[in-house]
Amino acid sequence: QKEVEQNSGPLSVPEGAIASLNCTYSDRGSQSFFWYRQYSGKSPELIMFIYSNGDKEDGRFTAQLNKASQYVSLLIRDSQPSDSATYLCAVRQTNAGKSTFGDGTTLTVKP
Amino acid sequence: DTEVTQTPKHLVMGMTNKKSLKCEQHMGHRAMYWYKQKAKKPPELMFVYSYEKLSINESVPSRFSPECPNSSLLNLHLHALQPEDSALYLCASSPAFGREDGYTFGSGTRLTVV
Repeated sequence: QKEVEQNSGPLSVPEGAIASLNCTYSDRGSQSFFWYRQYSGKSPELIMFIYSNGDKEDGRFTAQLNKASQYVSLLIRDSQPSDSATYLCAVRQTNAGKSTFGDGTTLTVKP
Repeated sequence: DTEVTQTPKHLVMGMTNKKSLKCEQHMGHRAMYWYKQKAKKPPELMFVYSYEKLSINESVPSRFSPECPNSSLLNLHLHALQPEDSALYLCASSPAFGREDGYTFGSGTRLTVV
């Protein structure tokens, strides 16, 4: 089992819809969870982090964490073509300074 | 300054060459990282420096040699690379190793080994 697993994708949604990206992790003691966006040919950019159960909102983005289910998700409301990118979930394990990345989910938002 | 600057942006080198990648940040971050990313794959951790000391080496071949001359600067020295080492090399920083905040990535160096 991979330490961090994401929807295999690709995911395609129409403009204005809600895009839902999911991530599960295997280490129950994981403490911090990150979502990065990576445009094709560019470097990853941190868009959200969350470490408490529940929801965290930032503009059109909402991160949701459920530690009991070992599940973290990213919702993008009112999706725009400019949101088309690969979204990487990263998890920092217990007492580990480094984060482990999932394989990413590629999102395409169609006008 | 909220940036991590990497140079060069592109590098083509032969298998017998020696070259270096440079990374600089002026955010006061005390942890710096080298990642390697192949096409359509996630970033793969190579090295972590915390307070200018090497904290993690993810069993990287010795043809890659990291150096952290000071808290703002991180280098990756390359020697006798193989074509399969061609990839995007990303530098990242964070306030401290293990802090909750996540990484700031540089724009990367796209390396081609011929």
